[in-house]
Amino acid sequence: DAMVIQNPRYQVTQFGKPVTLSCSQTLNHNVMYWYQQKSSQAPKLLFHYYDKDFNNEADTPDNFQSRRPNTSFCFLDIRSPGLGDAAMYLCATSRGPSPGYTFGSGTRLTVV
Amino acid sequence: SQKIEQNSEALNIQEGKTATLTCNYTNYSPAYLQWYRQDPGRGPVFLLLIRENEKEKRKERLKVTFDTTLKQSLFHITASQPADSATYLCAPGTGGFKTIFGAGTRLFVKA
Repeated sequence: DAMVIQNPRYQVTQFGKPVTLSCSQTLNHNVMYWYQQKSSQAPKLLFHYYDKDFNNEADTPDNFQSRRPNTSFCFLDIRSPGLGDAAMYLCATSRGPSPGYTFGSGTRLTVV
Repeated sequence: SQKIEQNSEALNIQEGKTATLTCNYTNYSPAYLQWYRQDPGRGPVFLLLIRENEKEKRKERLKVTFDTTLKQSLFHITASQPADSATYLCAPGTGGFKTIFGAGTRLFVKA
């Protein structure tokens, strides 16, 4: 089945230690998104890639970066995680700007 | 700024009853509105989309209405089952890549 896969499901990192979360998709969608979701809050868009074009949200901290080496893979890099970055990170895909995103199961990040 | 309001209090209903969830939005005019289901510790799953020129949309036991005058969408689950227990997110959209989600309403269906 075509899907969006996020690895790992759970990630524990030390305060200030760089961490990378990964997302892969078999849907061949040209848009990939990264959302941050804290407990009982709405998912918050961090950035998206439309093909190779990177689009950062204005309020996304510089601490967060992303890479998309090919259509199938997208990475979220957190350069110096703080305690406030503990959250669920969700990857989603779409075909162009069409609604009805396909989400992965998320990566729960804990910062210790 | 654009704002989406969903009831933050959990909705508790008995199995077999109809669950009705509300989504209100302010400061924009969405061309469509999406509803997603999110289980604990999982990513959202897309359920339904309704466009501004549609008053009502149905899919199996789900029904969505969209009132652009009231700036509100109602999401109904008829003949609810314990398996329907989850958080339901609404996401009004204007097109483009920035989809803003509501924080969701938690639904508990008791057997």
